[in-house]
Amino acid sequence: ETGVTQSPTHLIKTRGQQVTLRCSSQSGHNTVSWYQQALGQGPQFIFQYYREEENGRGNFPPRFSGLQFPNYSSELNVNALELDDSALYLCASSPTSGMSYEQYFGPGTRLTVT
Amino acid sequence: AQKVTQAQTEISVVEKEDVTLDCVYETRDTTYYLFWYKQPPSGELVFLIRRNSFDEQNEISGRYSWNFQKSTSSFNFTITASQVVDSAVYFCALSDENFLGGANSKLTFGKGITLSVRP
Repeated sequence: ETGVTQSPTHLIKTRGQQVTLRCSSQSGHNTVSWYQQALGQGPQFIFQYYREEENGRGNFPPRFSGLQFPNYSSELNVNALELDDSALYLCASSPTSGMSYEQYFGPGTRLTVT
Repeated sequence: AQKVTQAQTEISVVEKEDVTLDCVYETRDTTYYLFWYKQPPSGELVFLIRRNSFDEQNEISGRYSWNFQKSTSSFNFTITASQVVDSAVYFCALSDENFLGGANSKLTFGKGITLSVRP
């Protein structure tokens, strides 16, 4: 069984640029969530996708957007990057939507905005 | 609104000592789930345990044990006979129904506790 994978591992961008982060869900999982983890903090929920539809969003501006594909892989797009966007971005998949299911996390993408 | 508080920020123990990591949560829902995750230096969050709000039985898994008390809204985690490999950041998290009324699994995390186990 393949776990959750993310790419790239590290990324350096300049303020104002756009970035796309990718996530491949664990086999059989149709729900993916994205989290932002700033240094020294706990992960913060960005949004969740269930069967290709957005299924809940945290307190993040519209320049954070996402997609889920028919194979349940996912993308996180961030436009007009700001210095505060520097963080570890974690993707998590679960068997289906619903609060009772544990989420399986990928290794994360470390984004640095200069 | 849901909230998870991990008041301890850093704990340092010597190998073989027992250590307890505290977690206090807030939610208005009667149905919710609590989780503990471990984050080693590699960055990947590793799932440790899930508990639902209707099951207050303590749980033991090897050297790990969890004490869930609804009366104090706490879900504490104890590592017995700690080992160097236990060194990591530990997060407590909450999932409840009070999020846009939908069946989603948003997790609200605490700030984490950095555990260092010295040989």
